[in-house]
Amino acid sequence: SAVISQKPSRDICQRGTSLTIQCQVDSQVTMMFWYRQQPGQSLTLIATANQGSEATYESGFVIDKFPISRPNLTFSTLTVSNMSPEDSSIYLCSVEGLANYGYTFGSGTRLTVV
Amino acid sequence: GNSVTQMEGPVTLSEEAFLTINCTYTATGYPSLFWYVQYPGEGLQLLLKATKADDKGSNKGFEATYRKETTSFHLEKGSVQVSDSAVYFCALSGNFGNEKLTFGTGTRLTIIP
Repeated sequence: SAVISQKPSRDICQRGTSLTIQCQVDSQVTMMFWYRQQPGQSLTLIATANQGSEATYESGFVIDKFPISRPNLTFSTLTVSNMSPEDSSIYLCSVEGLANYGYTFGSGTRLTVV
Repeated sequence: GNSVTQMEGPVTLSEEAFLTINCTYTATGYPSLFWYVQYPGEGLQLLLKATKADDKGSNKGFEATYRKETTSFHLEKGSVQVSDSAVYFCALSGNFGNEKLTFGTGTRLTIIP
C-alpha cells in the first residue's frame, strides 16, 4: 500500500494565523483526500484534491478557509486560514491504495489553536 | 446519500471476552466496506475490508462479513486483548475507485485485564 508522510505532526497556533499541512505520497496517485477529525468525533471529508484542477469541497467547507494545492501526483498541502479555537482538530490526508489495500491515511496533524 | 450507523460507545470488556461492534449502512449500488482502527495517539489504520456481498474481511483475529440483505458489516473478535483498546470506525466508499470514505461515529473500546 502507499506510504504517506504528513507534517507537521502537531502544532499549537495563535488565533488569526494560518498553518499549512503537507502530505507526500511515495507513489503517484490521482486523488488525495483531506479529512478533519474534531475532538472525540468521527472523520469528515473537507475536500478532494485532483492534480491539475481545483479541489472539490464538501458542504460546509470553503476554499478561502481551507485552500488546497496539488502541484503534482505525489504531493498536496492543506492550509487552515485565519484560525480560531474551533479549528482545533486532527487533520488527515488520505489516498486510495492498490485494489487490495483500501485507503491509506497519513499519521495526522494535531492542531491546537489558542 | 451514503451513511454509516455505528454502535455507540464506549464499550468496556474484560480480556478474552467476545466482541461485537455493530455497523449498518445506507448506500446506492454496491459499496466497499471497511473497518479502521485508531490506537491512542496514532493515525487511522485499515483493519479489514470487503468489496462485495458475502465477502468476509479478517485481520488480527477480527472478522466482518458483508451482508447485503441486512446492510450490515458487524465487527467481531472471539477473544479480545488489552492491546485491542482503541477507537474503531466503520466506513464505506463507492465502488468506482477514488471515491470518498463515509465514516461512522466511531466506537471506543477499552479492554480491562
